Amino acid sequence: GENVEQHPSTLSVQEGDSAVIKCTYSDSASNYFPWYKQELGKGPQLIIDIRSNVGEKKDQRIAVTLNKTAKHFSLHITETQPEDSAVYFCAASRGNTGNQFYFGTGTSLTVIP
Amino acid sequence: NAGVTQTPKFQVLKTGQSMTLQCAQDMNHNSMYWYRQDPGMGLRLIYYSASEGTTDKGEVPNGYNVSRLNKREFSLRLESAAPSQTSVYFCASSDQGNTEAFFGQGTRLTVV
Repeated sequence: GENVEQHPSTLSVQEGDSAVIKCTYSDSASNYFPWYKQELGKGPQLIIDIRSNVGEKKDQRIAVTLNKTAKHFSLHITETQPEDSAVYFCAASRGNTGNQFYFGTGTSLTVIP
Repeated sequence: NAGVTQTPKFQVLKTGQSMTLQCAQDMNHNSMYWYRQDPGMGLRLIYYSASEGTTDKGEVPNGYNVSRLNKREFSLRLESAAPSQTSVYFCASSDQGNTEAFFGQGTRLTVV
């Protein structure tokens, strides 16, 4: 099955700085890569996703890049704000029937005001 | 829209007791999932249901059973709870294909 590794496990940045979280995957058949944000006491919520036919996608302060050859993808958050503090998960999926998602172990991001 | 609703939100069980976690979605999604979340281990898939009438094992199915009651509802049953099943359980749903999974608020289960 798929194996998704995520680094770092914890990350602290000053408000206004950028944050980068990296993930690698093992299954070359994976073709959908979502990123989820989980706030304390809540369920994960999608913040951005990318499909394997695209190398980069941006949504305001958040961007995701995908390198299919190296099997890694990254989340970039610019101009970080205290409300960005949360746990972030990457995931990979083949996108076929059942759409089984494999998650990384999470990154706890703290933005220091 | 309520999205994905899980009940209960909190539960304490004694070792050996049984219980069922309920999940319902109102988005007409075909696929539903049960995950457990443990510190440092991310989200691990217990069981999933690709469509009404089908269920399949995920990464960590031992000690659990599931029922896809209809398109809306997908329940998770612990027949004989063990301390190792202390965790936060999340139900999720999605359409088939490369689409977003929507998560419930979670059930925090403690087995003593």
